[in-house]
Amino acid sequence: GAGVSQSPRYKVTKRGQDVALRCDPISGHVSLYWYRQALGQGPEFLTYFNYEAQQDKSGLPNDRFSAERPEGSISTLTIQRTEQRDSAMYRCASSLRQHPSTNEKLFFGSGTQLSVL
Amino acid sequence: AQSVTQLDSQVPVFEEAPVELRCNYSSSVSVYLFWYVQYPNQGLQLLLKYLSGSTLVESINGFEAEFNKSQTSFHLRKPSVHISDTAEYFCAVSERSGNTPLVFGKGTRLSVIA
Repeated sequence: GAGVSQSPRYKVTKRGQDVALRCDPISGHVSLYWYRQALGQGPEFLTYFNYEAQQDKSGLPNDRFSAERPEGSISTLTIQRTEQRDSAMYRCASSLRQHPSTNEKLFFGSGTQLSVL
Repeated sequence: AQSVTQLDSQVPVFEEAPVELRCNYSSSVSVYLFWYVQYPNQGLQLLLKYLSGSTLVESINGFEAEFNKSQTSFHLRKPSVHISDTAEYFCAVSERSGNTPLVFGKGTRLSVIA
């Protein structure tokens, strides 16, 4: 596609439910990143993939959070047993070159706004 | 680990006035520096970056930033802002050698007033 696409744009869920957030990166982009952005804060790194391999998941807050990219393209971020503190904007980004790269340019999607009631 | 500090959360400025958005970073190793911009209802976009060479880098829409190693700063400036520059601006840093991804500051919301 022309840009990074994320769905849904908005997600409202009840506490305790599981949610799955989808990211469709720019075609041909090797690396895919997940960030979380709370209101009034900058994006906070969660995890990233090179192709289908998850390279770094040190930013995932706890074991309720997981991500996959099984075919090296679309990625899903799953949050199990959601809590109110999980409410945030979840942003996906992709880059053409494999991370780490000296010329890294990230292309961000518009994000999924998650609200846990 | 590196960190980024953007001291100003909001900066209001009149149209055609100059603006400076401050960014300071902390890192024990050499870094690359970036400014990303987020227009309303859009994703973040790369505005400019410092990798090496000249410490002054420019964007296509008139912004510039200067890497100052001694002050560990990478402030963003524009001599004359437009209404269309209204957006949120994020400073980011990554290590030159290592696998750490981009670390972002909290952002500065620039509001240009007609």
